[in-house]
Amino acid sequence: NAGVTQTPKFQVLKTGQSMTLQCAQDMNHEYMSWYRQDPGMGLRLIHYSVGAGITDQGEVPNGYNVSRSTTEDFPLRLLSAAPSQTSVYFCASRQTQLQGTNTEAFFGQGTRLTVV
Amino acid sequence: AQKITQTQPGMFVQEKEAVTLDCTYDTSDQSYGLFWYKQPSSGEMIFLIYQGSYDEQNATEGRYSLNFQKARKSANLVISASQLGDSAMYFCAMRDDLITGNQFYFGTGTSLTVIP
Repeated sequence: NAGVTQTPKFQVLKTGQSMTLQCAQDMNHEYMSWYRQDPGMGLRLIHYSVGAGITDQGEVPNGYNVSRSTTEDFPLRLLSAAPSQTSVYFCASRQTQLQGTNTEAFFGQGTRLTVV
Repeated sequence: AQKITQTQPGMFVQEKEAVTLDCTYDTSDQSYGLFWYKQPSSGEMIFLIYQGSYDEQNATEGRYSLNFQKARKSANLVISASQLGDSAMYFCAMRDDLITGNQFYFGTGTSLTVIP
């Protein structure tokens, strides 16, 4: 039962560096999303995807890119890391929503990113 | 506008007592889902309970119940017979069924500490 797998678990970047956070799910979920978690602010949506080839911006998309070439994978790219992007990042997936049904989001273990 | 409001940054409860964590939400739609997640110190997000907006009965899952008051737009989590392992951060979330992408909106969380 792999569920949602995120790598890496920890990362330290220097300002200006780029990197990709990996996310893969094996539940055949159409919907995938990336959140960042900051103290006192809960989880905020960065980008999401409702299926392969379809992505859209969430609440805080600036400085991040995503793509969805397969159902399974949804990588998050930091183009030029800034200290303000120091955060814990979560990838989540779920079934496409059916009204009135429980479509809980399954989360990865999180990536703790520090930008110095 | 804040979609989910959790007004209790921190709560304490005696072991074996019951505790209520507050959550209010904001939507003008009739179809939505409400969720509670637990985040222990290890960082993972654990799904606890779901309530659909059309469900007439309050959801229950073991020691967790959701006190759903639709007219007041509240979805409080009740934990009965608290255990030391319940010490964690708790997040309320809403899935708005009529918003494109049906993304989840999270509150800022409540930190629960169970005292022996």
